[in-house]
Amino acid sequence: EAGVAQSPRYKIIEKRQSVAFWCNPISGHATLYWYQQILGQGPKLLIQFQNNGVVDDSQLPKDRFSAERLKGVDSTLKIQPAKLEDSAVYLCASSLLWGNTIYFGEGSWLTVV
Amino acid sequence: KNEVEQSPQNLTAQEGEFITINCSYSVGISALHWLQQHPGGGIVSLFMLSSGKKKHGRLIATINIQEKHSSLHITASHPRDSAVYICAVSSYNNNDMRFGAGTRLTVKP
Repeated sequence: EAGVAQSPRYKIIEKRQSVAFWCNPISGHATLYWYQQILGQGPKLLIQFQNNGVVDDSQLPKDRFSAERLKGVDSTLKIQPAKLEDSAVYLCASSLLWGNTIYFGEGSWLTVV
Repeated sequence: KNEVEQSPQNLTAQEGEFITINCSYSVGISALHWLQQHPGGGIVSLFMLSSGKKKHGRLIATINIQEKHSSLHITASHPRDSAVYICAVSSYNNNDMRFGAGTRLTVKP
């Protein structure tokens, strides 16, 4: 079974630039999560999708972050404009349904300079 | 105070030692997860449990719902066990998981 795929794995951008991350969840998984993990901390949920609908985006900085999952499969997370404090690993995860075992991607490492 | 607290933050052990990592939480939960994160960043789910005890190879996870506490044990530790171990809970009141800060384990040969 293929796992959660993310790209790019690594990205370095200057502050005020924009960046987009892509996630392909495990086939058939209805729930998709984007997490931000700052070095030395546990992951923090940014947004949760159930199919193509947003379940929770209360911790998403909406002035600069946006995410979509238009067809209920792949998802993109965009940051525009980036700030230095956005340097983190962005983890995508999926589960069959909420409450089931959650599977994580390898993460996309962002460095903002 | 964080909803999920882990201890210790850092742990160094010699190969072969028995290791325990602890997790305490303050919210009602539907399940507790133990996750392993390697230096490359990828996270692997080790256990998902809501009561009792689970065992997988050299790994054992226990949970005490009344005390809101869980432990992850590693028997006969090996250098390849070196990773960050993260405790996370799925709460009744939130759709998402709440994560501890992680325990960085280093097993020396």
